[in-house]
Amino acid sequence: GNSVTQMEGPVTLSEEAFLTINCTYTATGYPSLFWYVQYPGEGLQLLLKATKADDKGSNKGFEATYRKETTSFHLEKGSVQVSDSAVYFCALISGTYKYIFGTGTRLKVLA
Amino acid sequence: KAGVTQTPRYLIKTRGQQVTLSCSPISGHRSVSWYQQTPGQGLQFLFEYFSETQRNKGNFPGRFSGRQFSNSRSEMNVSTLELGDSALYLCASSLYSSGGQGTGELFFGEGSRLTVL
Repeated sequence: GNSVTQMEGPVTLSEEAFLTINCTYTATGYPSLFWYVQYPGEGLQLLLKATKADDKGSNKGFEATYRKETTSFHLEKGSVQVSDSAVYFCALISGTYKYIFGTGTRLKVLA
Repeated sequence: KAGVTQTPRYLIKTRGQQVTLSCSPISGHRSVSWYQQTPGQGLQFLFEYFSETQRNKGNFPGRFSGRQFSNSRSEMNVSTLELGDSALYLCASSLYSSGGQGTGELFFGEGSRLTVL
């Protein structure tokens, strides 16, 4: 069945450090891929998405590229800020038309 | 434009009781999905409703049920509560069912945090 695997957290970085959160997936067909972010005490909100192979989603300095050959959608940011501290979820929609979420990766950025 | 509203935000119940949670989607959105969020399991899909019909269902026991009204508001009910039902229950709305047209983006509420004692 479809699944999403994210790296375990928490990830702790200093401000201005480079961020990578790994995400790999298993899916039939051609899924759409998403990154959602959950700030403390809030619901999830869409950060970026990609709908086909080699697409790059980007928003707020975050980027992720849909890599079909490696079934990956890693999230990157060149310089994190304290305000980026949150939980990040990788997700996909595929043939079953149900969202499949990863378990989430908590990011903590220290000033 | 008002966001997704979930009520109540916090509630405490005891084992064996039942609970009803409510979700008001963004105006014009016809799809409402429910998720259970726990520290160990992440987000688990419960069900999706579109135009008052259940479109998809996750792997939860029959104690978990839901419905959608003609104004797209949705409720979910959990009967015979167990300790393991303690979680944050998130509702998400979208313009179309996730299998249809549109961006596929989900708009989440802040959740209802249920504690079962």
